[in-house]
Parts: sequence; structure tokens; C-alpha cells
Amino acid sequence: KAGVTQTPRYLIKTRGQQVTLSCSPISGHRSVSWYQQTPGQGLQFLFEYFSETQRNKGNFPGRFSGRQFSNSRSEMNVSTLELGDSALYLCASSREGQGGTEAFFGQGTRLTVV
Amino acid sequence: AQKVTQAQTEISVVEKEDVTLDCVYETRDTTYYLFWYKQPPSGELVFLIRRNSFDEQNEISGRYSWNFQKSTSSFNFTITASQVVDSAVYFCALSELLYNTDKLIFGTGTRLQVFP
Repeated sequence: KAGVTQTPRYLIKTRGQQVTLSCSPISGHRSVSWYQQTPGQGLQFLFEYFSETQRNKGNFPGRFSGRQFSNSRSEMNVSTLELGDSALYLCASSREGQGGTEAFFGQGTRLTVV
Repeated sequence: AQKVTQAQTEISVVEKEDVTLDCVYETRDTTYYLFWYKQPPSGELVFLIRRNSFDEQNEISGRYSWNFQKSTSSFNFTITASQVVDSAVYFCALSELLYNTDKLIFGTGTRLQVFP
């Protein structure tokens, strides 16, 4: 059974550019969540999608957005990149999305903004 | 406010020593889940255990054991006879069911280094 797949694994972007990260959840999983991990702030929740609807959103500026497709794959987009957006972005999928569900994480996309 | 505190930033032990990672949580909800995840250098978070707020039984899985105490809002994790492969960052996390969401609130993590 394939795990959560995130692409690309590494990315270098310039300030002001935009970036799109992709996440393919485990087959049959309908809930996808995104997290940002930085040395200073730790693991912070970005947003959660369930059945193509954003169900929850963390405290991030509007430059961070996401979406989920009918096959449960998800993308997140960051526009007008800032140096502080450099981080490991982790995607997690879970089956039911009812809360308290075991989440499976991908290996992440390491974004560097220069 | 929901919060997870892992006061130990880094722990170093020698192989075969026992080590306990502390986790203290805060929540207003009466129904919640607690988790432990392991993050090896490769980056992905590996699920270790989930415990709901109504089940205070301790759990043992091989060399791993967990002690959940609602009275002290703690969910501590012990590795017995540690091995070099246990070296990783360990995260404790909280999920509340009140809002029907899979959002996880993570602690800041404890980096465990096991030396041969």
C-alpha cells in the first residue's frame, strides 16, 4: 500500500515568486491536512481538507491557500514568497476525518526561499 | 486553550539505557485524543500511538510504553533498552473531537540521541 506522496521533495524559490506543492494521500483516505515545520515555530497547522472542502484553517496569512480534488489529492500554494516561508511542509492523510484519526505523513517538501 | 508542552528539548543517552519523554497537555474538551509521533532524519512523521481521553490504561508495545494520567494531564513515553535506531525527534500531539477535525496540535518535540 503506497504511503503519502509529496512532490517535489526539495524546492528553491526566490522572494516574491509563488510555489505549488502537491500531496497524494493514501488510497481511500479523504482527509488531507498540511503543516509547516520550522526550527523557530515547530509544527504548525496550515489547513485541512475533507471531500474537497476546507474544513479548518490555521493562523496563516492569505498568501497560503490550498485545495483538494475529487480524487482526494491536494495542493497548497504560497504566493509572494518571503524568506520566512522557508520550511518543511508536511502533508498528512487520514481515512475518516472525524477527529482523533490516525494521520499518516509524507516525507515533506523542503522549501527554501532565497 | 489547547496546548502541548514537551519541556525536554534534547536528551542524550547511551545504548541500553531507559529513557522517558515527557508530555503535558492542556485542553478544555472532555473528549480528545493524544498521539506520539517519531520524526527520523528523513523527515516524515511516523505514528507510534493514539490514546483517547477515556482510556487511561497504560500501553506497552515491545520496548515502548506509554503512561497516560489525566489527573496530571500527562502522556509520557518510555523507551526501554534504547537503541541507536531510536535516535529521532519525538512529538506529542493533541486532537480535540469537539470540532470534528483532524487538526493536530503538536508539542515542540524532544530530540533523542542514543549513542553506541
